[in-house]
Amino acid sequence: AAGVIQSPRHLIKEKRETATLKCYPIPRHDTVYWYQQGPGQDPQFLISFYEKMQSDKGSIPDRFSAQQFSDYHSELNMSSLELGDSALYFCASSFSGNNMNTEAFFGQGTRLTVV
Amino acid sequence: GQNIDQPTEMTATEGAIVQINCTYQTSGFNGLFWYQQHAGEAPTFLSYNVLDGLEEKGRFSSFLSRSKGYSYLLLKELQMKDSASYLCAVAEDSWGKFQFGAGTQVVVTP
Repeated sequence: AAGVIQSPRHLIKEKRETATLKCYPIPRHDTVYWYQQGPGQDPQFLISFYEKMQSDKGSIPDRFSAQQFSDYHSELNMSSLELGDSALYFCASSFSGNNMNTEAFFGQGTRLTVV
Repeated sequence: GQNIDQPTEMTATEGAIVQINCTYQTSGFNGLFWYQQHAGEAPTFLSYNVLDGLEEKGRFSSFLSRSKGYSYLLLKELQMKDSASYLCAVAEDSWGKFQFGAGTQVVVTP
């Protein structure tokens, strides 16, 4: 079965650079969630999108922005990168329409290292 | 404030049973989820409870008491591959926006 696809799997950037992470949800899933997981930490919710509109916002820095496109894929844009942004970034998708809910499935994550 | 507590680490032998407890205090509640995560990998969905009671899925069972703000995950017939971190997660509204606990590292020994 198709899963959530994230790219790239690994990314190395220097301080103050910009990074773009991509997420392709499971087909027919309409909701995308972004999480940041630092070393030894639990995942922290950043932001979510439902039907291409931002649906919720968590602890996402102002330097980060995200959007969901017409094909439901999502991109997380990170600017002015800091060393502390080094983390695993997970995307999860679910189906939330028609008053139904499905559990969220996580992608394999993008490991961002800022040097 | 938001608070989700679970033990840091548990050790058990192959073939045994382990119960991971989770207590929570959150502003909203729309379900409690359990995910398994191996180091550096994605969380994998195991089980969820929306209503009180026990849900059984093969070797994994999860229990919820909403009045007590309490859940547990029961892992039976432990296998070496079950060594992983187990995350307790509360969905306050949509089933993907979670407050996660810090995770319980389960170590399975031969």
